[in-house]
Formats: sequence, structure tokens, C-alpha cells
Amino acid sequence: DAKTTQPPSMDCAEGRAANLPCNHSTISGNEYVYWYRQIHSQGPQYIIHGLKNNETNEMASLIITEDRKSSTLILPHATLRDTAVYYCIALPYGGSQGNLIFGKGTKLSVKP
Amino acid sequence: SQTIHQWPATLVQPVGSPLSLECTVEGTSNPNLYWYRQAAGRGLQLLFYSVGIGQISSEVPQNLSASRPQDRQFILSSKKLLLSDSGFYLCAWTPGAGGELFFGEGSRLTVL
Repeated sequence: DAKTTQPPSMDCAEGRAANLPCNHSTISGNEYVYWYRQIHSQGPQYIIHGLKNNETNEMASLIITEDRKSSTLILPHATLRDTAVYYCIALPYGGSQGNLIFGKGTKLSVKP
Repeated sequence: SQTIHQWPATLVQPVGSPLSLECTVEGTSNPNLYWYRQAAGRGLQLLFYSVGIGQISSEVPQNLSASRPQDRQFILSSKKLLLSDSGFYLCAWTPGAGGELFFGEGSRLTVL
């Protein structure tokens, strides 16, 4: 599985967009980019995933660069409840039969 | 719909005592199952994963073990707990053909 790197922490003002970057320069052609978040003392929660096209759902948008070496998770209007650790992982769809390893993620603090 | 449950939610155990954490998944068959641990202030550490009954892969050598006696049941055990075993333990599953992980509520273990 491709290794990902993320900034350890970020701040965002409430109501503004939060843009969380992720580098995955060694990603292979069959690997998807997945984003999860973990609110304190809870299990991680799936947010969104994509292969090469930009994706949007009710929680967030995912922008993947054309070379697929990096991506950005966008929370369009961050709220205090979005304060969490955000994890980006790259792994193959249909082949995730083994170890799904999370990095240290980005701790997002949304401030009033 | 699929659900995942793990118990107990909290546990305080003395050093040297045994441990058994249980996880069950409902509403699906032949899931991939995972045990993660999160020490205080740390990231998610993959401990064990299983792609089928009786098939266990260990990621980190330690005094913990895992078993999968039934298709949708995953158990984390220890014969003698160490202080370093304290942490937040999370069970998770995937349908086996995708990277979307579904996490349980977590079990917080304190070893004294």
C-alpha cells in the first residue's frame, strides 16, 4: 500500500472551508485514496474515497491532482464538531485483503 | 444493514490478569476483520487482521493474540496483561472488496 504523508495539525475558523492536504507520491494505478476521521474517544469514521476524479458527498469533497500524487479533503463549512484527527490512506479497491495501516493523520482544530 | 459491536466498552484490569475483548459483525458474511490499538495521544496501530475463519495475521509481536472462531466473530486475548497494553482497542471490518472500514465503538482498557 502506498505511504501517505499529512501535516500533523491544522487550525480552521468555524464556518470557513477546511482544506486538508495529503501526499501519496508512490500511489499505484489501482489504489484509491480514502479519508477517515476520528473524533476524540470514538472509532474512526469513513468520509470519502476516490480514484482519479474529484468526488463529493454530504460530508466533504475530495480533490485529487491529475498525477494522483496528492489530494485535498475539503470540508466546505467547518463546524466545531469537525474537530478531529483526519487520516488519508491509499489502498487498492478489491485487493484490501490484508493490513490497512493508518498514519498519524492531521489533527484539525476548528475554532469559534 | 450491517452493524459491528464490541465489548466491553471499558475495562480496568491488574497487571498479569487475562484479557478477552469480543467483536461481532452482523448483516454481512465473510468480512475481513481487524483489531487496532490506540495508545493515549498516538495513532492507530494495526494489531491483527483476518480474512477468514481461523486465519489470523499478526502485525506486531506482543503478548496479545487473536482468534476467529466464527465467520463474524473476532476475539482479542491476552494471558497476562502488561502496563503497556493500556489503550483504546478498536475492532473493524471491511467487505473484503474495498477499503471502507467500519469501526466498532471501541474498548478502553486500563491496566494498573
